[in-house]
Amino acid sequence: GDSVTQMEGPVTLSEEAFLTINCTYTATGYPSLFWYVQYPGEGLQLLLKATKADDKGSNKGFEATYRKETTSFHLEKGSVQVSDSAVYFCALSSGTGRRALTFGSGTRLQVQP
Amino acid sequence: DAGVTQSPTHLIKTRGQHVTLRCSPISGHKSVSWYQQVLGQGPQFIFQYYEKEERGRGNFPDRFSARQFPNYSSELNVNALLLGDSALYLCASSLASGGVGNEQFFGPGTRLTVL
Repeated sequence: GDSVTQMEGPVTLSEEAFLTINCTYTATGYPSLFWYVQYPGEGLQLLLKATKADDKGSNKGFEATYRKETTSFHLEKGSVQVSDSAVYFCALSSGTGRRALTFGSGTRLQVQP
Repeated sequence: DAGVTQSPTHLIKTRGQHVTLRCSPISGHKSVSWYQQVLGQGPQFIFQYYEKEERGRGNFPDRFSARQFPNYSSELNVNALLLGDSALYLCASSLASGGVGNEQFFGPGTRLTVL
């Protein structure tokens, strides 16, 4: 079945540092890939998405590229801020109808001033 | 416009009881999905409903059931609660049932604690 594997956290960075959160997936066919962010006490928010190979999703300085050859969708940001502290989830949807999201276990990011 | 709303925010039940969680989707959205998020893990898919019909079901026991109403709001019911049902229950709404890049918008969740 489908699965998503993320690097374990927490990831602790200083403000303005470069961020990479690794995500790899296993899925049938050609899934759509997503990054969601969950701030403390809030629900999940879609951060970015990519629907086909070599697509790059981007939003709020975050980027991720759909790499079919390595089945990866790593999240990057050039300069993190304290306000980026949250839990980040990689997810995919695949199969007929693409109805359900399959999530990774999440990576907690802590940015220190 | 209001986002996805869920009620109640928090709930405490004892083993063996049943619980009903409620969700109102974003106006214009016809699909509602339910997810269970156990502490420290990613959300797990439970159900999806579209136009009042079940369109998908995750690997959960029959104690879990759901329905969607004509106004597209939804209820998730869990019977014979177990300690392991303690989790954050998330509702997500979307315009359609599926499709490439189908974006789901999540509510704040209902925190269920089973004692």
